[in-house]
Amino acid sequence: NAGVMQNPRHLVRRRGQEARLRCSPMKGHSHVYWYRQLPEEGLKFMVYLQKENIIDESGMPKERFSAEFPKEGPSILRIQQVVRGDSAAYFCASSRPESLPNSPLHFGNGTRLTVT
Amino acid sequence: EDKVVQSPLSLVVHEGDTVTLNCSYEVTNFRSLLWYKQEKKAPTFLFMLTSSGIEKKSGRLSSILDKKELFSILNITATQTGDSAVYLCAVFIGYKLSFGAGTTVTVRA
Repeated sequence: NAGVMQNPRHLVRRRGQEARLRCSPMKGHSHVYWYRQLPEEGLKFMVYLQKENIIDESGMPKERFSAEFPKEGPSILRIQQVVRGDSAAYFCASSRPESLPNSPLHFGNGTRLTVT
Repeated sequence: EDKVVQSPLSLVVHEGDTVTLNCSYEVTNFRSLLWYKQEKKAPTFLFMLTSSGIEKKSGRLSSILDKKELFSILNITATQTGDSAVYLCAVFIGYKLSFGAGTTVTVRA
């Protein structure tokens, strides 16, 4: 009964490159959240998706960031033309929509992105 | 604007001490309040609180919610070095979990 799986654990990119972060939800979960954690800060909501649909992207920067959750395969958070300020830990959580908000979110181990 | 504020930002204690962490919130559409522990990786779930005045306990940890005064406290008794972590408070606003900045607890032997 695997939990939320994220990969890679660590990702190093040079300025201007693209970063792709992957998240596989827990079994039976159809909804995914992405959060970003900057050093010394709490987790900031980015986007909430269900398969093939973005429900809420109010926390996503308007440019360079995109997210998807295809019918098959993991959810992908994509950052184009990365800058040093994108260096952070990116966490994913999954849920069954019918259990919200009566069940906690369980998080993956995160992807630590470093932009050099 | 919705706010979740934790205090103190950090504290250092010695093994055996008791710590009390605070979380206050100002949000619309409050559903529940959660506490997480984070040690360099995924936040791990501790407690979920929906009703005022009902204490939740797990070993040396306990937590309570006051929905009238809009705050929660997390207590850790007889602290151990393994309790060193960042403790995060979060509030469910609709389907979205909104986090405070966290309290860093350091327990010295």
